[in-house]
Amino acid sequence: EADIYQTPRYLVIGTGKKITLECSQTMGHDKMYWYQQDPGMELHLIHYSYGVNSTEKGDLSSESTVSRIRTEHFPLTLESARPSHTSQYLCASSEISFSGANVLTFGAGSRLTVL
Amino acid sequence: AQKVTQAQTEISVVEKEDVTLDCVYETRDTTYYLFWYKQPPSGELVFLIRRNSFDEQNEISGRYSWNFQKSTSSFNFTITASQVVDSAVYFCALSGGGGADGLTFGKGTHLIIQP
Repeated sequence: EADIYQTPRYLVIGTGKKITLECSQTMGHDKMYWYQQDPGMELHLIHYSYGVNSTEKGDLSSESTVSRIRTEHFPLTLESARPSHTSQYLCASSEISFSGANVLTFGAGSRLTVL
Repeated sequence: AQKVTQAQTEISVVEKEDVTLDCVYETRDTTYYLFWYKQPPSGELVFLIRRNSFDEQNEISGRYSWNFQKSTSSFNFTITASQVVDSAVYFCALSGGGGADGLTFGKGTHLIIQP
């Protein structure tokens, strides 16, 4: 049974559309992340959050934005989708630890295709 | 900067063969954590193991074993008597100490177990 949920699992849209990828977790984790996975499998951190009202950009620059109004919810938005945004987006969460020992729990991913 | 290298992009073996997935990492941190995740075709990353930099003991869990060698900055993963269900993409990842911002992943190794 998944503790972190992503919707939609698959989305095909046209260029210029606004989309929001939803991510919710039921574990009470403070820290949440968005990773982008390119077709070559590589994972890149694009956003993360330490908790409510905290959002930070990751290692890979992304045109997407995120918000964290509730602990359990960390949606990702693209205001105007382009074909270059076609990718798999993976949401994850973890407890906050300053030791770096956090185990990330991942959702099943949202596969976005922009035509 | 941290870096994880998984030189093997794809490995194909016949069922029941043993297979080793290589992982080499770079970090300037003295305290760090290494992880292996499995990504089956369903897309969700599944946590397999975490190892901290002070614990160089090898670990065995069923058919899985991990060999951590700090001297060569390697954290290799061996599957003994492979099974078709082991087919997946396997990621090695690194987390630094001090409240690291997510994990640094390798590019992944696509493991194909043929019946």
